[in-house]
Amino acid sequence: GAVVSQHPSRVICKSGTSVKIECRSLDFQATTMFWYRQFPKQSLMLMATSNEGSKATYEQGVEKDKFLINHASLTLSTLTVTSAHPEDSSFYICSAGQDHRSGANVLTFGAGSRLTVL
Amino acid sequence: DAKTTQPPSMDCAEGRAANLPCNHSTISGNEYVYWYRQIHSQGPQYIIHGLKNNETNEMASLIITEDRKSSTLILPHATLRDTAVYYCIVRVYNDYKLSFGAGTTVTVRA
Repeated sequence: GAVVSQHPSRVICKSGTSVKIECRSLDFQATTMFWYRQFPKQSLMLMATSNEGSKATYEQGVEKDKFLINHASLTLSTLTVTSAHPEDSSFYICSAGQDHRSGANVLTFGAGSRLTVL
Repeated sequence: DAKTTQPPSMDCAEGRAANLPCNHSTISGNEYVYWYRQIHSQGPQYIIHGLKNNETNEMASLIITEDRKSSTLILPHATLRDTAVYYCIVRVYNDYKLSFGAGTTVTVRA
């Protein structure tokens, strides 16, 4: 089945630094990937849609200059948290979609990246 | 996308079937019902989806009522590893985007 790989799985950084998280579709191509954020004991919140070869589409309330998304190839999207602050500490999860034989499509999620900003 | 309603939590016994309900009374004709689950500190895992017919795969069965206003996910023989938050999501068939609600926290007890 489809596999989405995220790296790193855990990262700790100092306040003010930038952190890059990679999301790769390992055995399929994905023109669209999605980035989610999840705070403790809360559900996943969609942050942005990453489009290969074009600008990402951000959800309302998500700062595009804070969370830089690059989708340079059909198998790789990156999320960079710029000038990270403790309130950016969260679980970041990416996903990519594949068409299913039923005509619908199915999102496969990465294992997530836990960011802790000190 | 149509909104879904799920019970916040439920317990079930190991080895027994777990029946997870979901209401989606405003579902439209081109929307599928998807189920995902999230085990603690992991990314969500796809379980099953359906449009109007009942579906079964190696993980679970999905029963959709004839009027499509509700559905039930059935885990036939729950194990301790099935303890997770289960999300029922309704989405247009050609829209990749998924919006997650609060889900149902399922605890399987020995």
